[in-house]
Amino acid sequence: DAKTTQPTSMDCAEGRAANLPCNHSTISGNEYVYWYRQIHSQGPQYIIHGLKNNETNEMASLIITEDRKSSTLILPHATLRDTAVYYCIVRSDNYGQNFVFGPGTRLSVLP
Amino acid sequence: DVKVTQSSRYLVKRTGEKVFLECVQDMDHENMFWYRQDPGLGLRLIYFSYDVKMKEKGDIPEGYSVSREKKERFSLILESASTNQTSMYLCASSLSVNYEQYFGPGTRLTVT
Repeated sequence: DAKTTQPTSMDCAEGRAANLPCNHSTISGNEYVYWYRQIHSQGPQYIIHGLKNNETNEMASLIITEDRKSSTLILPHATLRDTAVYYCIVRSDNYGQNFVFGPGTRLSVLP
Repeated sequence: DVKVTQSSRYLVKRTGEKVFLECVQDMDHENMFWYRQDPGLGLRLIYFSYDVKMKEKGDIPEGYSVSREKKERFSLILESASTNQTSMYLCASSLSVNYEQYFGPGTRLTVT
């Protein structure tokens, strides 16, 4: 699986947009970009995923660059409850490919 | 909404005890997974199951076994618990093997 690189930590003011970057420069054509988050002492929560088009759901937007070597997760109006570790994961749709969680980005939403 | 529940949030067991961790999902998902999460090591896959009575080893199956007698339920068994199995255990399910996984709240197991 392609590896991802994320900043270790980020801060964001409450009510502002949180933009979390992820680099995946060795991504292959059949590999998707997934985002999960994990709030302290809870299980990871699925946020969104995409292949090459930008995606949006009720939680967030995912912007993938045209060359697919990087992506950004956008939380449009961050709240204190969005404080969590955010994981960017690249995974193919081949059978048996499982999610590999790296260290992620620790996002702190500040009042 | 997908709901994945785990039998206990916190569990304390003694070395050598047999431990059962249970996971139930209510979305008729085919696939279920057991991970453990340790500081600095991330999530590591122990076992997964793609159908009733079927199982496959993940990255770290040693010391664990699993059981899936019903589609909605996936059990992780520690035959003889050891202190190095103290960890956070996470169960997940997915509609199909290629789809996103949904996680339960986790069980923090301490083996003394």
